[in-house]
Amino acid sequence: QSALTQPPSASGSPGQSVTISCTGTITDVGRYNSVSWYQQHPGKAPKILVYDVTKRPSGVPDRFSGSKSGNTASLTVSGLQAEDEADYYCSSYGGTNNVLFGGGTRLTVL
Amino acid sequence: QVQVVESGGGVVQPGRSLRLSCKASGFTFTNYGMHWVRQAPGKGLDWVAVISNDGSTKNYADSVKGRFTISRDNSKNTVYLQVNSLRAEDTAVYYCAKEPHQWLVEYYCDYWGQGTLVTVSS
Repeated sequence: QSALTQPPSASGSPGQSVTISCTGTITDVGRYNSVSWYQQHPGKAPKILVYDVTKRPSGVPDRFSGSKSGNTASLTVSGLQAEDEADYYCSSYGGTNNVLFGGGTRLTVL
Repeated sequence: QVQVVESGGGVVQPGRSLRLSCKASGFTFTNYGMHWVRQAPGKGLDWVAVISNDGSTKNYADSVKGRFTISRDNSKNTVYLQVNSLRAEDTAVYYCAKEPHQWLVEYYCDYWGQGTLVTVSS
């Protein structure tokens, strides 16, 4: 059982938008603006998409955006493209010098 | 460009030990914290440990406390993970990853290696 809860799967057609949720508690996601999102293609290393809830590293398309409300963070992928098909993981500072990950969401582009 | 390359994985019997290494290049290694994160086959990411840039701060996941030790040698641009008393549930790809900002530990990673597979089996 993962510390943060994500839906196991999500899907959308090319050009559409999809939002993936990540639910924690008041002691992690709810307390700290330290939520990150990673994309992982099969057999590859994770790649950071979003950090500090809403910030994007240079080189990450603005089609990827993050937000947070209460104990739930979200990643929205707009203008879906075939190459967006991958696993997506959220993470949060856990409050006790640790990192929590979500169980991952498999995004399928229909 | 930034590179982190893990090594040291393999097949090991339960109860035995292993030392994983992560060689970094393309950035000023002495200025950045480093993490180990693992991923069991077909499963999600699982944070293991972090070490600050100077090695003075080390933090671990509860599941590995007392069995795993993170360390670094800044003269060799290398971070290590000593894994002891291995169990079947430690079977995973172990990734080394870099903190994004100098001098700080912010508990997320901007560059990841390709990982090294540890298989615990008799």
